[in-house]
Formats: sequence, C-alpha cells, structure tokens
Amino acid sequence: DAKTTQPPSMDCAEGRAANLPCNHSTISGNEYVYWYRQIHSQGPQYIIHGLKNNETNEMASLIITEDRKSSTLILPHATLRDTAVYYCIVRVGGGGADGLTFGKGTHLIIQP
Amino acid sequence: EPEVTQTPSHQVTQMGQEVILRCVPISNHLYFYWYRQILGQKVEFLVSFYNNEISEKSEIFDDQFSVERPDGSNFTLKIRSTKLEDSAMYFCASSEAGRIINNSPLHFGNGTRLTVT
Repeated sequence: DAKTTQPPSMDCAEGRAANLPCNHSTISGNEYVYWYRQIHSQGPQYIIHGLKNNETNEMASLIITEDRKSSTLILPHATLRDTAVYYCIVRVGGGGADGLTFGKGTHLIIQP
Repeated sequence: EPEVTQTPSHQVTQMGQEVILRCVPISNHLYFYWYRQILGQKVEFLVSFYNNEISEKSEIFDDQFSVERPDGSNFTLKIRSTKLEDSAMYFCASSEAGRIINNSPLHFGNGTRLTVT
C-alpha cells in the first residue's frame, strides 16, 4: 500500500496558491518524494520530485520538511485547469526499474 | 515536448478474445511500464520492462498478460483471454533511466479504455 497520507479533498479559489500537504513519516533516506496529478481519467501527469531540498519548476514548488516526514506541493496561481487528483508518492532510489505505487490522492477543486 | 502515445484510445472486445494494446514510448527512454485503472479505483502497477525483459511485475500480471517490444519503438501489452474484470483504462509509461540517474520520472500516455463485453 501507499506509504503516504493525503487529505481526500481540498478546495482553492482560482488565482490563489494551492498548498497540498502530504505525510510520509516512514520515508527512508534513499526515497524520493514524487507528485503526479490526474485530470479526469487522463494519464497521470508528472509534476515534480525531490529528495531533500526544495524544488521548483514551471508547474509547481515542492517543499520538504527538514526531517523529510512531510512535504507540500504548491501551485502558485491555481487555475480551473488545475482541478485534478494529486498524488504524493515515495519512490526508492538506486538501480533498476520499479513501479510507482499510487494511493487515493487529494481531489483538488479550484473554485471560480 | 515528446510524449507517450497509446493506441487505440478505446477498444471493445468480447470475453475470451485476445487484445493487444499498443504504446510508443518517448524515443530516448529505456524503461517501460504498464498500469491499469479500473473505473473509480486507484492506478495500479502491472509490469516494468527493461533491456527486453520484465524487471518487475505485480500480482495482477498473471499468465494471461504478456508484454513485448517487437520492433524497438512499440511496446505492447497482450491480454490472451479477456475477462469482464479486465475492463479498465490501461496506461503505458516510460522513463529515461528508471531510478539510476537522478530518479528519472515516469511519463504516462493518455491510456486505452478497454471494455470487455
């Protein structure tokens, strides 16, 4: 089963920052934190990932606490198109292929 | 931006028939995956594939499933004798270097909806 805990749903007003929390209290030192989203039964879309440091790309920012037991995905200016299910996933580093384990995620609804 | 493409977008088949779902991964990627999502349920890992062989597979990936990279560009999932419970969205994904280099992310296609009647 997934090693993360996320709220089942959240609302955010359009134009505001959406902050999605994730708990991963049993994360190991070589496990990365990944975020994906799925818009209405499309394929999961990669957003961002990180190990220890905060990360930012054109889609979002990822803030990882110093103890690595939780993280927050930040969508800085949410739009209606950001309404989706957001998945926080931990993934072991190292060699070899592996499968990501998806949980139930957070259904983020952006309100106009 | 390069993307994973899947065909067909929707496949309807009768129970007991064989189906082949096709995927074209991103061209420089080395690791390939299949996932499925039954309506209203979680995205589930089926199998990963590297260097022309299966790297990992889940309990779902039983003897009725097989994967192949027949021509160096396509990556296929075959279901030999479909059951009603195989009805689902099937997603293909690819990754540049799996977990080896900076933990390369998986990039997913938009799926094939398989309906077994």
